[in-house]
Amino acid sequence: KAGVTQTPRYLIKTRGQQVTLSCSPISGHRSVSWYQQTPGQGLQFLFEYFSETQRNKGNFPGRFSGRQFSNSRSEMNVSTLELGDSALYLCASRTGDSPLHFGNGTRLTVT
Amino acid sequence: GIQVEQSPPDLILQEGANSTLRCNFSDSVNNLQWFHQNPWGQLINLFYIPSGTKQNGRLSATTVATERYSLLYISSSQTTDSGVYFCAVAANAGKSTFGDGTTLTVKP
Repeated sequence: KAGVTQTPRYLIKTRGQQVTLSCSPISGHRSVSWYQQTPGQGLQFLFEYFSETQRNKGNFPGRFSGRQFSNSRSEMNVSTLELGDSALYLCASRTGDSPLHFGNGTRLTVT
Repeated sequence: GIQVEQSPPDLILQEGANSTLRCNFSDSVNNLQWFHQNPWGQLINLFYIPSGTKQNGRLSATTVATERYSLLYISSSQTTDSGVYFCAVAANAGKSTFGDGTTLTVKP
């Protein structure tokens, strides 16, 4: 079975731009969640989608949004990028109460 | 929300030594995982252990849910064990809270 796939692996953007990251879960996994990792704040939960509906949300501003498609693939979008948005963005999928399985992440640099 | 505290924050060992990493959490959970983050940032699932004890080769883990802690044991450490170890807990299925991690350095 293929693992969780995140694209792109690396991204460089300028302040004020927007960015879209993609995550394809493990086949059969309907829950997809997103996490942000920074040196200062550690790993923080962004949101979780299940069957195309946002089921949980972390404490991030409205500039961070996401969606899930009928095939369970998910995208997250960050608008009006700030320098502080530079981070490793990790996506995880799961089914039921099974363990989280993470992708390789997208490393975003905002200049 | 749930608070997760990992200790120690940093650990330096000689190859072959044993170690114990601890994860304390502030509330009841139904999901607990240990991860190893490699130098490229990937989180490798080590154990899914909301309660009880599991072993996988040189690694084992124990979670005492009633006392709100989990332990990760690494025996006969190798240089490839170096990296950051995270504990993540969840009270509901969708949102996991991570500790700050333990950075392990194994010297040859």
